[in-house]
Amino acid sequence: QSALTQPRSVSGSPGQSVTISCTGTSSDVGGFNYVSWYQQHAGKAPKLMIYDVTKRPSGVPDRFSGSKSGNTASLTISGLQAEDEADYYCCSYAGGYIYVVFGGGTKVTVL
Amino acid sequence: QLRLQESGPGLVKPSETLSLTCTVSSGSISSSNYYWGWIRQSPGRGLEWIGSISYSGSIYYNLSLESRVTISRDTSKNQFSVNLSSVTAADTAVYYCVRVATGSTFDSWGQGTLVTVSS
Repeated sequence: QSALTQPRSVSGSPGQSVTISCTGTSSDVGGFNYVSWYQQHAGKAPKLMIYDVTKRPSGVPDRFSGSKSGNTASLTISGLQAEDEADYYCCSYAGGYIYVVFGGGTKVTVL
Repeated sequence: QLRLQESGPGLVKPSETLSLTCTVSSGSISSSNYYWGWIRQSPGRGLEWIGSISYSGSIYYNLSLESRVTISRDTSKNQFSVNLSSVTAADTAVYYCVRVATGSTFDSWGQGTLVTVSS
């Protein structure tokens, strides 16, 4: 059981928007602005898509956006494209002696 | 462009020690802006942070692995390593070395190496 809770799967048609939630506690997601999101295509290493809740690394399309409310962070993919079909993982700094926690991952399917 | 490359045995026997090294190129592990770490992914499962080492040598471990894991570095070779002792089949996973930016941001990943624990 992962420390952060994500839906197992979400799906959408090309052009639509999908949102993936990531629920933690006040000790991780809610306590720090250090939530990151990773995209992983099958057989590949994960790729950083969002960091510090809302920031996008250079080269990541602006249709990927992040937000946070209380103990829940969210990743939104707008204008869904076929290449967005992948697994997505959230991650949060947790401080103290825990440091880092991941979500269990969400499979995004483009219909 | 920064590159991280894992190396080490792909097969380890139960109860033995898993040892992996990450070689960093086009970047220094002594850079004050970054930490360096290890993450693993069991087959068909999610990501698990193993631990990180700072530019100054401070080390942080996942509590669930702390009794079995050691992370170290060799700045002269620009490498860092992980040792995981007393392995079982549950330690079978793809192991990734990563660069760590702010908080828990893993902004650069190695390609990963599969380590199988089996006799």
